Amino acid sequence: AQKVTQAQTEISVVEKEDVTLDCVYETRDTTYYLFWYKQPPSGELVFLIRRNSFDEQNEISGRYSWNFQKSTSSFNFTITASQVVDSAVYFCALSVEGGSEKLVFGKGTKLTVNP
Amino acid sequence: EAQVTQNPRYLITVTGKKLTVTCSQNMNHEYMSWYRQDPGLGLRQIYYSMNVEVTDKGDVPEGYKVSRKEKRNFPLILESPSPNQTSLYFCASSRSRGNTDTQYFGPGTRLTVL
Repeated sequence: AQKVTQAQTEISVVEKEDVTLDCVYETRDTTYYLFWYKQPPSGELVFLIRRNSFDEQNEISGRYSWNFQKSTSSFNFTITASQVVDSAVYFCALSVEGGSEKLVFGKGTKLTVNP
Repeated sequence: EAQVTQNPRYLITVTGKKLTVTCSQNMNHEYMSWYRQDPGLGLRQIYYSMNVEVTDKGDVPEGYKVSRKEKRNFPLILESPSPNQTSLYFCASSRSRGNTDTQYFGPGTRLTVL
């Protein structure tokens, strides 16, 4: 069975601080995919990134970066120089190749960026 | 614009009154899925469809029905809604192999069953 743990339920930072959201996953499969989604206060789910298990390169997109480490089964998300608009709930999700046809979501981390 | 649309966005209804939440995508995606989001429980899959006329149960299918008569539409039907189906519902679609391809979500439907 697959599982995603986001241990941080809520994080509060001041604008311009860097913040890292943790994601730890569990799966016995060797081919799997990891995702991050953002849910702003307006409620929609916005896709941020998809990474497969064979690609451990870290990725940077503007102020966002992702650190994928198979050795620790983690796929952490860092926001550099946070802004108020980054305030949202962030979800990490996992799916496996050939497994049940669904995304397994973590419970989410609520990030509040204060001015 | 490529998108997944859901209607209605908000709905308040009473126990037992049948309702349908529509979902439509304009990306010619094969895979579509319904999730519900509840506080403390995260997102859970209700039903999914790999293609036209192919549907299957997710984790929490009880009390729901779906149909996939056309590629673009995947309505969620609550034949006899109950208060425990009060939730935020999301429809999603992806190009293929839904669970491993990127899923794009609709704006959500907030349902309250009194």
